[in-house]
Amino acid sequence: DIQLTQSPSFLSASVGDRVTITCRASQDISNFLAWYQQKPGKAPKALMYASSTLQSGVPSRFSGSGSGTEFTLTINSLQPEDFATYYCQQVNTYPLTFGGGTKVEIK
Amino acid sequence: EVQLVESGGGLVQPGRSLRLSCAASGFTFDDYAMHWVRQVPGKGLDWVAGISWNSQSIGYAGAVKGRFTISRDNVNFSLHLEMNSLRPEDTGFYYCAKDMASSPHYSDSNINYWGRGVLVTVS
Repeated sequence: DIQLTQSPSFLSASVGDRVTITCRASQDISNFLAWYQQKPGKAPKALMYASSTLQSGVPSRFSGSGSGTEFTLTINSLQPEDFATYYCQQVNTYPLTFGGGTKVEIK
Repeated sequence: EVQLVESGGGLVQPGRSLRLSCAASGFTFDDYAMHWVRQVPGKGLDWVAGISWNSQSIGYAGAVKGRFTISRDNVNFSLHLEMNSLRPEDTGFYYCAKDMASSPHYSDSNINYWGRGVLVTVS
């Protein structure tokens, strides 16, 4: 199975900060990677697919990059509504797998 | 409006079976892949199973392979998860989820809609 390792697992940041989350795959997955945001008590929300393509309606302060085994999700100018947990998911090979999550909290 | 409504959850003893269903509406059901994803409250997301639009591509997480069966009914716009030999570690919320692509293996595959989830407790 392809393992996805997210780092950090937790980060504390302030409104207006630039935040970067890394997702490393245990083998090459090309650009077959998606990102999600989840808030407490809610279902996840899709942010990005194909590594860097923004889902419809997602603010442009979110961006994604990477290919192969290393990927990043960047949030420019963190907003209050961005405090949440973020997950990456690989869709290259069965079984599809999620990263362990990165919780972004208010400093 | 896309709606995914799960049913069939509940409390079940270890070793028993349960069948989850998901009623889909608001989109052309047989155009898209579908998934089941589970989550223990306070923990991360755990992909369980996925199925392509025509049921030709099906995959399972290792922990459920051989015990769970995903299926879909494109006539009645429904997704199912047959869960056998249930274990306490299968406990969690089970989400029915719609893919943006027709198969879970395309580069633009990702889950763009989620149901509200149904709780399965194995104890």
